[in-house]
Amino acid sequence: SYVLTQPPSVSVAPGQTARITCGGNNIGSKSVHWYQQKPGQAPVLVVYDDSDRPSGIPERFSGSNSGNTATLTISRVEAGDEADYYCQVWDSSSDPHVVFGGGTKLTVL
Amino acid sequence: QVQLQESGPGLVKPSQTLSLTCTVSGGSISSGSYYWSWIRQPAGKGLEWIGRIYTSGSTNYNPSLKSRVTISVDTSKNQFSLKLSSVTAADTAVYYCARGVAVKGNYYYYYMDVWGKGTTVTVSS
Repeated sequence: SYVLTQPPSVSVAPGQTARITCGGNNIGSKSVHWYQQKPGQAPVLVVYDDSDRPSGIPERFSGSNSGNTATLTISRVEAGDEADYYCQVWDSSSDPHVVFGGGTKLTVL
Repeated sequence: QVQLQESGPGLVKPSQTLSLTCTVSGGSISSGSYYWSWIRQPAGKGLEWIGRIYTSGSTNYNPSLKSRVTISVDTSKNQFSLKLSSVTAADTAVYYCARGVAVKGNYYYYYMDVWGKGTTVTVSS
């Protein structure tokens, strides 16, 4: 089964740029999606298809994907961005299914 | 806009079957080319996808849970349901339902754009 690897935690000061990575074998050949989850709340889609943003998501959230690493970039980080972030792909194997990364806790210092 | 709401027992005994329903409001479950997914999250842990269903009845399941999972849809009630059999304490989690979007372009991809608030299920005697 396909495996996605995320760092457990990332810390950044307010106003700086946060980069959260998602590693996977040749992940650049897949479409990567990102979710934000704040404590006690359901996940929210923040980036889909590597770099597209759903309506209502600030332009500060962007994504990229190449080689073995996909990256969620959050510019001008705010205190309200503190949350867990999960990457996700579709594994088109003989038994196709969704795969999530283990999640990254973003701490705003 | 479309909203999803999970419902079902909050407590299930070990070895029994967990049953949950997701009610879709603000739109028809049959409209558009959407899939309908279940995802769970044990306390303090990450997200685990359980499976999905299309309104035609076509399903895909997480290989690690496939032998115990059944997802069904009732278009007349605008609902879809999850059954997880032979539960143990390891199945204790917050269970979410979500709407999924599938895109068939140069390659196939799938993501979930609308989520329910989640419901907590505890497996305990």
